[in-house]
Amino acid sequence: DTAVSQTPKYLVTQMGNDKSIKCEQNLGHDTMYWYKQDSKKFLKIMFSYNNKELIINETVPNRFSPKSPDKAHLNLHINSLELGDSAVYFCASSRRVAGASSTDTQYFGPGTRLTVL
Amino acid sequence: QKEVEQNSGPLSVPEGAIASLNCTYSDRGSQSFFWYRQYSGKSPELIMSIYSNGDKEDGRFTAQLNKASQYVSLLIRDSQPSDSATYLCAGGQNEKLTFGTGTRLTIIP
Repeated sequence: DTAVSQTPKYLVTQMGNDKSIKCEQNLGHDTMYWYKQDSKKFLKIMFSYNNKELIINETVPNRFSPKSPDKAHLNLHINSLELGDSAVYFCASSRRVAGASSTDTQYFGPGTRLTVL
Repeated sequence: QKEVEQNSGPLSVPEGAIASLNCTYSDRGSQSFFWYRQYSGKSPELIMSIYSNGDKEDGRFTAQLNKASQYVSLLIRDSQPSDSATYLCAGGQNEKLTFGTGTRLTIIP
């Protein structure tokens, strides 16, 4: 059974288009994340949701809009795609560490390779 | 200034030797630290997590944390060709992980 799954695995599209990536986790975790990994392999947090509530929103263009219909799903919609959006997008999930300022282990999905032409 | 820094490598180690990977972080508020391994074209997978000062061992892997020096390391004993990958160090605080740029490790048979 796949713990964190993403669809699609590959996405090739033209500049200006709108696209969505879907993520689902079956680990029972409360917190889900979107990361972007650029061509230099730098992995950077974009968003985080805890039980459908947005808790982390890094400096990301507002063309990117996450949506969490329930705590097992976190989708990412991107409007007006640009060349610089080409990257691998990873979804991840973790348990919430109650009452602490720490972070529990995050489990990553297989990634979605987005290519904008 | 990068919050988590790693030597990007490549680091080449003979098979059977010890590979030593290092990481420093700037945010003293970081509470938890993680080492992830990422094979080319794959997603990051957890190798070790460490929350307290000192050493933590798991099989061939040992993580070391020194919060006073803001330093985290990963030792891989008896290195195998299958250990060849990029190793990502991450610091965690308030459910946010900040990753370093990764160290590319190559084990030479």
